[in-house]
Amino acid sequence: GAVVSQHPSWVICKSGTSVKIECRSLDFQATTMFWYRQFPKQSLMLMATSNEGSKATYEQGVEKDKFLINHASLTLSTLTVTSAHPEDSSFYICSARAPRGGGSQPQHFGDGTRLSIL
Amino acid sequence: DAKTTQPPSMDCAEGRAANLPCNHSTISGNEYVYWYRQIHSQGPQYIIHGLKNNETNEMASLIITEDRKSSTLILPHATLRDTAVYYCIVRGYNNNDMRFGAGTRLTVKP
Repeated sequence: GAVVSQHPSWVICKSGTSVKIECRSLDFQATTMFWYRQFPKQSLMLMATSNEGSKATYEQGVEKDKFLINHASLTLSTLTVTSAHPEDSSFYICSARAPRGGGSQPQHFGDGTRLSIL
Repeated sequence: DAKTTQPPSMDCAEGRAANLPCNHSTISGNEYVYWYRQIHSQGPQYIIHGLKNNETNEMASLIITEDRKSSTLILPHATLRDTAVYYCIVRGYNNNDMRFGAGTRLTVKP
């Protein structure tokens, strides 16, 4: 079945550094990918929609200069958390959907990246 | 997208059927009902989805009422590994993204 791979699965870094997370669709081309954030004991919150070859669409309240999204190819989207601070510590999850079929096709999710900022 | 309502938690005995309800009374004609689950510290896993008809796959069955205002996910023989948070989501054909509610925390007990 469709697989979405996310890397790294876990990262710890110092406050002020930038962290890049990769999301790859392994067996299908994804014109659109999605980035979610999940805090402990909460549900997933959509952060942004990543569109291949164009700018990402951010949800209200998500800082686009803080969370840089690049979708340079049909199989890869990256999320960079710039100048990360402890409050950015969270579980970041990406997803992708095969392009045809619209809402009748399921999204497939990566296994997430646990980011801890010290 | 239509919103959904799910009970916050449920218990089920191992080996018994787990029936997870979902209310989506404002669903519109072109919106699909999706079910995902999330096991601790993992990404959501797709289970099943449907539009009008009941659906079954190797993981579960989805029963959608005739008026489409509610649905039930059935895990026929729950195991301890089915303990997870189960999310019911409705999404239109033309909608791109998928938005999660609070879900139901299912605990399968020995």
